[in-house]
Amino acid sequence: AQSVTQLGSHVSVSEGALVLLRCNYSSSVPPYLFWYVQYPNQGLQLLLKYTTGATLVKGINGFEAEFKKSETSFHLTKPSAHMSDAAEYFCAVSDPNYGGATNKLIFGTGTLLAVQP
Amino acid sequence: GAGVSQTPSNKVTEKGKYVELRCDPISGHTALYWYRQSLGQGPEFLIYFQGTGAADDSGLPNDRFFAVRPEGSVSTLKIQRTERGDSAVYLCASSPVGVDTQYFGPGTRLTVL
Repeated sequence: AQSVTQLGSHVSVSEGALVLLRCNYSSSVPPYLFWYVQYPNQGLQLLLKYTTGATLVKGINGFEAEFKKSETSFHLTKPSAHMSDAAEYFCAVSDPNYGGATNKLIFGTGTLLAVQP
Repeated sequence: GAGVSQTPSNKVTEKGKYVELRCDPISGHTALYWYRQSLGQGPEFLIYFQGTGAADDSGLPNDRFFAVRPEGSVSTLKIQRTERGDSAVYLCASSPVGVDTQYFGPGTRLTVL
């Protein structure tokens, strides 16, 4: 069965500092990988995704993530944090070979990012 | 264009009551998903519709939970005999056929007293 682990339920960085949010997955097949962001009282918004091809994926708002199969990781980074990046971030996986019937997402427990001035 | 909408945004009910939660997907999206997000947790899959039929309902926790999508667009999640443990945010997502990106609504926060 697939699973996702996000290390660090709370991460705090200073404005302008590097953001690194960790995600490791467990899957018997190379999965599709996603990062979603959730602002207070809002729905989940897709930041970026990896399906096939280039392993370094760029997303919205200056975020990027690298798929490392050997480490079963898909960590999210941003070179310089802004105050507006404060939100909860979820890593998710889906099985592209799942019976052809659904791409249901398996989510991690989330990482709450705080950005200090 | 309009995104996924969910109504109501908040629902407070008493233990044992019946509730219905509604999801309006993005127009033309054939796939529709329901997830449940408990406090401090990531969303958990409940059910997936392709068109009018439930293609995967393996995430429904028990037979008190049921969902329909009679015309292949709007979906309703129905919970009978609600329990305090059902309190959560219920999220709906939709996607076009053959696309792996799901677009989420703002959710319905259900509180069972």
